[in-house]
Amino acid sequence: NAGVTQTPKFRILKIGQSMTLQCAQDMNHNYMYWYRQDPGMGLKLIYYSVGAGITDKGEVPNGYNVSRSTTEDFPLRLELAAPSQTSVYFCASSYGTGSSTDTQYFGPGTRLTVL
Amino acid sequence: GQQLNQSPQSMFIQEGEDVSMNCTSSSIFNTWLWYKQEPGEGPVLLIALYKAGELTSNGRLTAQFGITRKDSFLNISASIPSDVGIYFCAGPNSGTYKYIFGTGTRLKVLA
Repeated sequence: NAGVTQTPKFRILKIGQSMTLQCAQDMNHNYMYWYRQDPGMGLKLIYYSVGAGITDKGEVPNGYNVSRSTTEDFPLRLELAAPSQTSVYFCASSYGTGSSTDTQYFGPGTRLTVL
Repeated sequence: GQQLNQSPQSMFIQEGEDVSMNCTSSSIFNTWLWYKQEPGEGPVLLIALYKAGELTSNGRLTAQFGITRKDSFLNISASIPSDVGIYFCAGPNSGTYKYIFGTGTRLKVLA
């Protein structure tokens, strides 16, 4: 099993450019999440999805969009990149069974720099 | 909203020493998760706690779910150089699957 995979690993964008960060999981998890981690800080939730076709905002959704057309994939889109979006982006997934034993598994991250 | 405060923020210890860190919240959590993040990697789950008072071990790591449900503790015994990393606590925002993460405890082990 590959688990949670993310591409690309690194990217440099110019202000105003757009890009899509890819995330895929092969564990048949219902729930998927996008976080950003700024230097020296914890993780902040951007968006999450409880299943195909369903997405919802997290703590810091401004400047981002998501879609969930399949169970496996959860891409994150930046439409107009800004320097404040320079961060490391992590995708995660979980079963989301509704039980208290649900836990998240993380991808390796995408390092994004906006200049 | 809910916040998780971790202390200490960073620790420098000698190899072989025991380590203790904690995570506190102003509100109740029903699940506590402890993750370790190594440089350039995503967080990896170490221990999950689901009941108040629960004490769970994973090798040299032991974590406890506080009785008040507002705190959790992680202990590492006989530290080794590969324990270096950032340790995060996390828990789901009440009634949701929106996970909140603490700011982390940075651990450095001196050989």
